[in-house]
Amino acid sequence: GAVVSQHPSWVICKSGTSVKIECRSLDFQATTMFWYRQFPKQSLMLMATSNEGSKATYEQGVEKDKFLINHASLTLSTLTVTSAHPEDSSFYICSARDLYLGSAEAFFGQGTRLTVV
Amino acid sequence: GQQVMQIPQYQHVQEGEDFTTYCNSSTTLSNIQWYKQRPGGHPVFLIQLVKSGEVKKQKRLTFQFGEAKKNSSLHITATQTTDVGTYFCAGSYGGATNKLIFGTGTLLAVQP
Repeated sequence: GAVVSQHPSWVICKSGTSVKIECRSLDFQATTMFWYRQFPKQSLMLMATSNEGSKATYEQGVEKDKFLINHASLTLSTLTVTSAHPEDSSFYICSARDLYLGSAEAFFGQGTRLTVV
Repeated sequence: GQQVMQIPQYQHVQEGEDFTTYCNSSTTLSNIQWYKQRPGGHPVFLIQLVKSGEVKKQKRLTFQFGEAKKNSSLHITATQTTDVGTYFCAGSYGGATNKLIFGTGTLLAVQP
């Protein structure tokens, strides 16, 4: 199946700093990628839909100035957590679908565990 | 907004017993997908259901989509220890991006 690579897999940062997470589709083009956040033992919460070449669409309650999303190419989307605080500590996962093939399956990155200290 | 609930939250079974998780959406779905997430891992796609009343099988797993396209179920026959993980349904409500809204998940523990 298609591969989505997410980097880094884990990061520890100081409060007030910014962290960038990359999500790459390795063997297919993804016009749309999705960013999720998952707290321990909870479900995946959709944060935003990343659209190649245009602004991301954020879900209700997600601060767009806090979670900056850039989807500059058909294979790369980035999520930047700006001025991170301990409450931003979480597991962030991206996913992508090969929409050109009309594939329903969403391929997920390995996830990034962010710890803000 | 759309909400997708699953029950139970957690189930502990003996190996060989059957297991079922139920998924309910607050509004009608375009389609529904099921994913499995192992502890520490990322969700892995299992299947997609599109048609009202659809039933699909994958070896010991049986998936159903309700007639009203608002609920779904996953049934595992004769569980094995390899079935351990959290099972999520994910609803799609259509639209250009076809975003997925994940259910609350059911954690399955299988005792040997």
